[in-house]
Parts: sequence; structure tokens; C-alpha cells
Amino acid sequence: DAKTTQPTSMDCAEGRAANLPCNHSTISGNEYVYWYRQIHSQGPQYIIHGLKNNETNEMASLIITEDRKSSTLILPHATLRDTAVYYCIVSPVGSNYKLTFGKGTLLTVNP
Amino acid sequence: DAGVIQSPRHEVTEMGQEVTLRCKPISGHDYLFWYRQTMMRGLELLIYFNNNVPIDDSGMPEDRFSAKMPNASFSTLKIQPSEPRDSAVYFCASSLGTPGRRGYTFGSGTRLTVV
Repeated sequence: DAKTTQPTSMDCAEGRAANLPCNHSTISGNEYVYWYRQIHSQGPQYIIHGLKNNETNEMASLIITEDRKSSTLILPHATLRDTAVYYCIVSPVGSNYKLTFGKGTLLTVNP
Repeated sequence: DAGVIQSPRHEVTEMGQEVTLRCKPISGHDYLFWYRQTMMRGLELLIYFNNNVPIDDSGMPEDRFSAKMPNASFSTLKIQPSEPRDSAVYFCASSLGTPGRRGYTFGSGTRLTVV
């Protein structure tokens, strides 16, 4: 499986955009990039995923570089409730592929 | 939908006792996953099922751990006998396909403390 590299921690001011980077230089052509987050004491929550095109939903935007070796999760207007650990995971899609969580990035949104 | 429902939310037990954790997945989901989370090891996948059949139990730490899924709406994770090092938060998750068009939906977890 492809591995990911994320910064251990990041800070962001409330109301500003939070840009969380992820490096996945060994990603294969059939592997998607998934993002989850885990707010303290809660189960992980799915945010977004993509293959090679940029994606946007009600929670966030995902920007994947053209060579697919890195991506950025963007929270356009961070709030205090976005303080969480954010996990970037790469995985093929298909039968019996499982998600393996790394250590993620602790994003702290400051007032 | 009520989401993935786990019970109990908290469990404190003495070393050597049997512990059973329960999970009700989202109706219609065909995959169910059991994860364990500790500070030292993070989130670890223990076992997962597809259509009630165990597919991969390579993450189960030892024979003291067992998991069953007797039907599409219920799964259990049992530890017998329990040990202090089993103390962790245990999460159940379900999905439609894997990794799924909408990813996994996790429950709120069971915090297990073995004293």
C-alpha cells in the first residue's frame, strides 16, 4: 500500500482557510486519496475523497496535484469545531480493500 | 438513520473477566469493521466482515479476541480473558462497499478499561 506523510500539527486562525498537506509520492494509478477527521473522543468522520480531479463538498475541498504525488485538504472558513486530527489515506477502490489510518495532523483552530 | 450504534459506551472490568462489545451497523451497509485505538498505537484495524462473513482477521491481537456477525444488523467483539493491556477505545464502522463512495461511518466507540 502507498504511504502518506503529514505534518504532526498545524495551527489556523478561526475564520481563515485551513490548508492541510499530504504527501503520497508512491501512490498507484488505481488508488484514491481519502480524508477523515477525528474530533476528540469521537469516532473518525469521513470528509472527502478523490482520484485525480479536484473535489468539493459541503465540508471541504480536495486539491490533488497533477502528478498525484501530493494533495491538500482545504477547510475554507475554519471554526473552533474543526479542531481535530485529520487523516490522509490512500487506498484502491474495490472489493475487500481496507483503510489503514496513520498518525494524522492535529489541526488546532485558534480564536 | 441513527448511524452506527455501539454499546456500551464505557466498560470497566477486572482482569480475567469476559468482555463483549456490541455494534449495530447502518442498515444496508455490507461491510463492518472493528478498530481499536490507543495512544501508543493509534487506530488499528482488528477485523472486518463482508456480508456477515469475516474477510480479514489478521489484526486480531491474539486468541483471546473473537468477533462474530450472526446477521446483517449485529456484530460482537469478545475478549476472554481480558487483560489491562486491552484497555483502549474500540470503534465499529460500516460502509457500503469498501472503502466506499461515502467512506466508512464510525460509531461513537466503547471505552474499555481493564483493571
